[in-house]
Amino acid sequence: SQELEQSPQSLIVQEGKNLTINCTSSKTLYGLYWYKQKYGEGLIFLMMLQKGGEEKSHEKITAKLDEKKQQSSLHITASQPSHAGIYLCGAPPIDGNQFYFGTGTSLTVIP
Amino acid sequence: DGGITQSPKYLFRKEGQNVTLSCEQNLNHDAMYWYRQDPGQGLRLIYYSQIVNDFQKGDIAEGYSVSREKKESFPLTVTSAQKNPTAFYLCASSIGFGAGYGYTFGSGTRLTVV
Repeated sequence: SQELEQSPQSLIVQEGKNLTINCTSSKTLYGLYWYKQKYGEGLIFLMMLQKGGEEKSHEKITAKLDEKKQQSSLHITASQPSHAGIYLCGAPPIDGNQFYFGTGTSLTVIP
Repeated sequence: DGGITQSPKYLFRKEGQNVTLSCEQNLNHDAMYWYRQDPGQGLRLIYYSQIVNDFQKGDIAEGYSVSREKKESFPLTVTSAQKNPTAFYLCASSIGFGAGYGYTFGSGTRLTVV
């Protein structure tokens, strides 16, 4: 089965610092989605990457998918308290029917 | 604006009772899903439906039931057979089913057994 491993599991940073969250797949990814979840709420779509080497940015968040399409990183520049929450990566199935999710990275930004 | 509406946001259930969580979407999406989220375990698939009047079990379907009588609606019933129902439940939908389709999520329902 396809698995997505996220690291780190949790992250505490000072406001203004940069940070990176990683998502690694056991199989080649068809695509990779990043979501953000505020505590106790639903998931908000951030970005989708599909091509090897692809990079997308939105405001201060940049996501990359490596050439082999097995690892993605999410980078936040100059973090703010509004960035706090749980970040999840997700991938549609290469085989089977199930969309897979990583276990999430909990981000705390200290003002 | 289109989206997915889950209700209620918070739900309390006594042991031995069945409860139904509502999920409605106006996105005209064919596929809908129910996930359970527990701390440290990520999202686990309970049931999914590719089209109206069809649904399939996910990884943790025991103690749950669903129906898909309308395209817009995919309610989840948590039965008394579910041994540990306290969790955060998320409903999602996608335009189609399978590779390449991203999910849109609802805001979730937190169920607590008292």
